Amino acid sequence: AQSVSQHNHHVILSEAASLELGCNYSYGGTVNLFWYVQYPGQHLQLLLKYFSGDPLVKGIKGFEAEFIKSKFSFNLRKPSVQWSDTAEYFCAVLPGGATNKLIFGTGTLLAVQP
Amino acid sequence: DVKVTQSSRYLVKRTGEKVFLECVQDMDHENMFWYRQDPGLGLRLIYFSYDVKMKEKGDIPEGYSVSREKKERFSLILESASTNQTSMYLCASITSGGGYGYTFGSGTRLTVV
Repeated sequence: AQSVSQHNHHVILSEAASLELGCNYSYGGTVNLFWYVQYPGQHLQLLLKYFSGDPLVKGIKGFEAEFIKSKFSFNLRKPSVQWSDTAEYFCAVLPGGATNKLIFGTGTLLAVQP
Repeated sequence: DVKVTQSSRYLVKRTGEKVFLECVQDMDHENMFWYRQDPGLGLRLIYFSYDVKMKEKGDIPEGYSVSREKKERFSLILESASTNQTSMYLCASITSGGGYGYTFGSGTRLTVV
């Protein structure tokens, strides 16, 4: 079955530290890839997405992610986190096909300490 | 901007009640989805619909049903609410091209007592 794995369930960082959140998926065909963020008390928002082309994609608020096809990975990165980045982050995969069903990872809770 | 509106932000219902969660989107999207979000489990798909009156089961449909009589509205029904259905429920929509990912509603926090 298709699945998405986020290896870090809970990450605690100090401000200005670098961030990398892992995401791996299991699907051999064409995929669209997404990172969503949910700030405390708010709804899910799209952080960035990959469809095709340059495997390094840039999103909002200084986030970026790199698609490595050979590793089935789409890791999220930020060089220097801020307290306001405290949130839950979800990786999601849209397998090629007609159903448009996004498959989500279990999420990573990021806490940034001032 | 696409808007996905969920009618209630918080709901408290009693065990055994029939519960309706409503979701409306305003961008003529064909596909609509209901997920539940639980700590440590991420988002799990309950049901989805790719057209009016069409529905398909997701990963955890037991105890739920859905209704899509109009394109813009997708309702989730808990036939007989139970305490294990206490959760955050998220509605989402997407156009058939898939392209830009889902747009989510703000969620309904349901507590069954």
